[in-house]
Amino acid sequence: DAKTTQPNSMESNEEEPVHLPCNHSTISGTDYIHWYRQLPSQGPEYVIHGLTSNVNNRMASLAIAEDRKSSTLILHRATLRDAAVYYCILIRYNQGGKLIFGQGTELSVKP
Amino acid sequence: EPEVTQTPSHQVTQMGQEVILRCVPISNHLYFYWYRQILGQKVEFLVSFYNNEISEKSEIFDDQFSVERPDGSNFTLKIRSTKLEDSAMYFCASTRIIPTNTGELFFGEGSRLTVL
Repeated sequence: DAKTTQPNSMESNEEEPVHLPCNHSTISGTDYIHWYRQLPSQGPEYVIHGLTSNVNNRMASLAIAEDRKSSTLILHRATLRDAAVYYCILIRYNQGGKLIFGQGTELSVKP
Repeated sequence: EPEVTQTPSHQVTQMGQEVILRCVPISNHLYFYWYRQILGQKVEFLVSFYNNEISEKSEIFDDQFSVERPDGSNFTLKIRSTKLEDSAMYFCASTRIIPTNTGELFFGEGSRLTVL
């Protein structure tokens, strides 16, 4: 499985943008980049995914580097509810759909 | 909004006892998964299930574990003889299509298993 590298933790202030980086230098052409998050005492929750182009949805934006070796999850205005562990996960096409979670980035949001 | 539901939310059992954790996936979903998370550690894949059979399993999913979909709605994880190290939060997940390029996994709230 292709490996991702994320910072262990990040801090943000409420209502400010947050950029969560992920390095995946060994990504292959058929790997999709997925982001999930886990709020305290809850199951993981899908955030966003992409392949090559930047993506936006109601929760976040995903910026993917041109060489695809890194990506950044952008929360446009952090709220206290966004405090969670954020996981960047690569899924290979035809892999069968399982997610392999790393340690993720623990995001804390200060009021 | 449809959701994956899991029962029990917390179970305490004695070492060596059998445990069954139950999950009701979202109704039109076809792919089912169990994950576990030991306290303070990362989420680990256990098993995936499609078309009434196991698609893939991890090294953790040994002969003490089994899964089944007994009635077309429930999806169960059985641990035959629990060990102390089985203490963890167990998450069920489901998806309509393989979440490679378009699908997403929907997770339940988890079942906390404590083995004494």
